[in-house]
Amino acid sequence: RKEVEQDPGPFNVPEGATVAFNCTYSNSASQSFFWYRQDCRKEPKLLMSVYSSGNEDGRFTAQLNRASQYISLLIRDSKLSDSATYLCAVNGYSSASKIIFGSGTRLSIRP
Amino acid sequence: AAGVIQSPRHLIKEKRETATLKCYPIPRHDTVYWYQQGPGQDPQFLISFYEKMQSDKGSIPDRFSAQQFSDYHSELNMSSLELGDSALYFCASSRTSGRTETQYFGPGTRLLVL
Repeated sequence: RKEVEQDPGPFNVPEGATVAFNCTYSNSASQSFFWYRQDCRKEPKLLMSVYSSGNEDGRFTAQLNRASQYISLLIRDSKLSDSATYLCAVNGYSSASKIIFGSGTRLSIRP
Repeated sequence: AAGVIQSPRHLIKEKRETATLKCYPIPRHDTVYWYQQGPGQDPQFLISFYEKMQSDKGSIPDRFSAQQFSDYHSELNMSSLELGDSALYFCASSRTSGRTETQYFGPGTRLLVL
């Protein structure tokens, strides 16, 4: 079982739709949580950090539930440019510690 | 804003050859991480350095070694290359400040072993 698990996708939704991704992690000692976006053959780019109180950045909302070891990402009013792979990421047993990625969820937005 | 720089961006080698990948972190970042991403895979952590000392080690083959230099740049040395080493190699950097820090990724080096 992977340490970080995500919805496998792919998600294929129309422009303007709302889409939600889920992610679970197994190590309760994990400290920090992130969503990265990765376009084909490019590097992962930080989309947002995820905090216990939940956080929002424009059309994107991230939630963390430590008790259930669950992270979510909600994208509202999706755009064609949102098409990418979304990687859930967990790190932080200590400073300078590695990131463990989920397998990624592929999102395709259709016109 | 300055980003992580990696060189070369593309590299073609033959089996049993050696390769050296370089990473220049974001200015004032003191921690460097190396990840390997095979086709259709998520990035897998290889190794990291903080203040020139190895800080964490993942699934890095014994054929690979890495170090961080006094200017904080890092090099990943790969010897006896195998076909399975063909992958994207990402370097990421962060600034350690007593808690876990956000990692920012470079554009990657695409290695093809023939």
